[in-house]
Amino acid sequence: GNSVTQMEGPVTLSEEAFLTINCTYTATGYPSLFWYVQYPGEGLQLLLKATKADDKGSNKGFEATYRKETTSFHLEKGSVQVSDSAVYFCALGFSGGYNKLIFGAGTRLAVHP
Amino acid sequence: GAVVSQHPSRVICKSGTSVKIECRSLDFQATTMFWYRQFPKKSLMLMATSNEGSKATYEQGVEKDKFLINHASLTLSTLTVTSAHPEDSSFYICSASTGSTNEKLFFGSGTQLSVL
Repeated sequence: GNSVTQMEGPVTLSEEAFLTINCTYTATGYPSLFWYVQYPGEGLQLLLKATKADDKGSNKGFEATYRKETTSFHLEKGSVQVSDSAVYFCALGFSGGYNKLIFGAGTRLAVHP
Repeated sequence: GAVVSQHPSRVICKSGTSVKIECRSLDFQATTMFWYRQFPKKSLMLMATSNEGSKATYEQGVEKDKFLINHASLTLSTLTVTSAHPEDSSFYICSASTGSTNEKLFFGSGTQLSVL
């Protein structure tokens, strides 16, 4: 079956620290991969995506590379800010008219000044 | 960007009562809406997919008589948890889609349901 596993949080960092949130997946076929972010009191928002192997998604200083050989899509940011504090969800989905996404459990990130 | 309003954000109810959760797309028409459920430290789990004007499609293992979904208009879908029990306590999230690509999914902020 299809599933997503991401590292358990919370992740607590100081401002300007390097961030990695691990995400691995199991899928039949060739999914697209996504990172969503949920800020306090708001809905999930798409942060970045990659649609095929070796693609790199990037946005707001965050990056993730679709690694087919390791079935991974780790999220990274070189220097986090307090405003990055949120819950981050890794997800996979398939094209062809289907909008169903399969999510990981989410990883809470807390950045302190 | 597009906004999806989900209400209420938190609800506490007695066992045996029913609870309705609303999901509204505020500035676009949502052809499809999705309802997810999340237990603590677990993945968001898709419960059902609803298309405006038709019956919802439930995922395997989700009781359709317990979780009633209505998508009567292109801007409103409701999830009613009927005869709620403590094991229904969970975080429920809706999302609304305007098209066939995943990036056009917009999410509500979720509803925390606690059944006493």
